[in-house]
Amino acid sequence: SQQGEEDPQALSIQEGENATMNCSYKTSINNLQWYRQNSGRGLVHLILIRSNEREKHSGRLRVTLDTSKKSSSLLITASRAADTASYFCATGGSYIPTFGRGTSLIVHP
Amino acid sequence: DAGITQSPRYKITETGRQVTLMCHQTWSHSYMFWYRQDLGHGLRLIYYSAAADITDKGEVPDGYVVSRSKTENFPLTLESATRSQTSVYFCASSDSDYNEQFFGPGTRLTVL
Repeated sequence: SQQGEEDPQALSIQEGENATMNCSYKTSINNLQWYRQNSGRGLVHLILIRSNEREKHSGRLRVTLDTSKKSSSLLITASRAADTASYFCATGGSYIPTFGRGTSLIVHP
Repeated sequence: DAGITQSPRYKITETGRQVTLMCHQTWSHSYMFWYRQDLGHGLRLIYYSAAADITDKGEVPDGYVVSRSKTENFPLTLESATRSQTSVYFCASSDSDYNEQFFGPGTRLTVL
């Protein structure tokens, strides 16, 4: 399987803290994408990092990519209660991207 | 309205019935996807389409049929629904097979 695997499965933090979640994959990629899913909704694309990039920022999001370790991390800084959601990674390459089970993030106010 | 829509949003049906879930996108994206989401399994790809009249199986295609006669529509049919097909179904579209996907709001299907 080419799917990304997110870790941890669940994460519970207080508002204002940082949240870090990781994604590992198995084969070479063109890019890696992170998505958010609020309860009962469809997935929303957050950020795409290409295989020749090592770090990318978007607002309070910071994504890193280590192709030698076949892993990526998503950091959400200064978390808010509204960040409570499930987060998924998906890898893009010479195959259809597949999604893992996601990381469930709960941010307590 | 621009975007991707799914209908119906909720559906209850009985075992053995045929059900069709609709998906419509307004971006003229070439790629469209159907996923099912179940607790403990995450998102699993059922079928995808690279263009009108081109479809291919994903991870869990058994029991499902798709067609794509027009670029903007990608219906998913359960020919004889089973209880194991109770799930939330998401449609998505993209301009390529590896770029970001845009998801619809989902259809919650219950098979009794």
